[in-house]
Amino acid sequence: GNSVTQMEGPVTLSEEAFLTINCTYTATGYPSLFWYVQYPGEGLQLLLKATKADDKGSNKGFEATYRKETTSFHLEKGSVQVSDSAVYFCALSDPGFQKLVFGTGTRLLVSP
Amino acid sequence: KAGVTQTPRYLIKTRGQQVTLSCSPISGHRSVSWYQQTPGQGLQFLFEYFSETQRNKGNFPGRFSGRQFSNSRSEMNVSTLELGDSALYLCASSEGSNTEAFFGQGTRLTVV
Repeated sequence: GNSVTQMEGPVTLSEEAFLTINCTYTATGYPSLFWYVQYPGEGLQLLLKATKADDKGSNKGFEATYRKETTSFHLEKGSVQVSDSAVYFCALSDPGFQKLVFGTGTRLLVSP
Repeated sequence: KAGVTQTPRYLIKTRGQQVTLSCSPISGHRSVSWYQQTPGQGLQFLFEYFSETQRNKGNFPGRFSGRQFSNSRSEMNVSTLELGDSALYLCASSEGSNTEAFFGQGTRLTVV
């Protein structure tokens, strides 16, 4: 079945550091890929998405590129802020199905 | 536009009882999906409804059920509650297949 693997957390960074959270996937066909963020006590917010190979999703300084050859969708940000502290989830959905398969989540802690 | 609304936000129930959770999707969205989030299992797909029909179902026992009304509002029901059902239950709405899913803040269910 389809699955998503994320790097274990927590990831601890100082403000203005560079962020990378690794995500790889296993899927049949051509899934859409997503990054969601969850702040404490909240639901999930879509951060960015990509629907086909080589697409780059971007939002609020975060970026991720759909790499079909390496089945990866790594999340990056050039300069993190304290307010970016949250849990980040990588996810995929099968074309034609409104069902998301999530990774285990990666907690990001940014200190001043 | 109002977001996805889940009620109640918090719930405490006793083992063996049943519970009903409610989700009001974004206006115009016809697809509603439900997810269970636990520390041990992460985010798992429960089921998805579109125009009052269940289109997709995850790997959960029959104690977990749902329905969708003509106004797209959805409810999920868990009967004969077990301690392991304690979780954050998230609802997501979208326009249809292959479209962005918007999540509510969730209902935190505690079974004692």
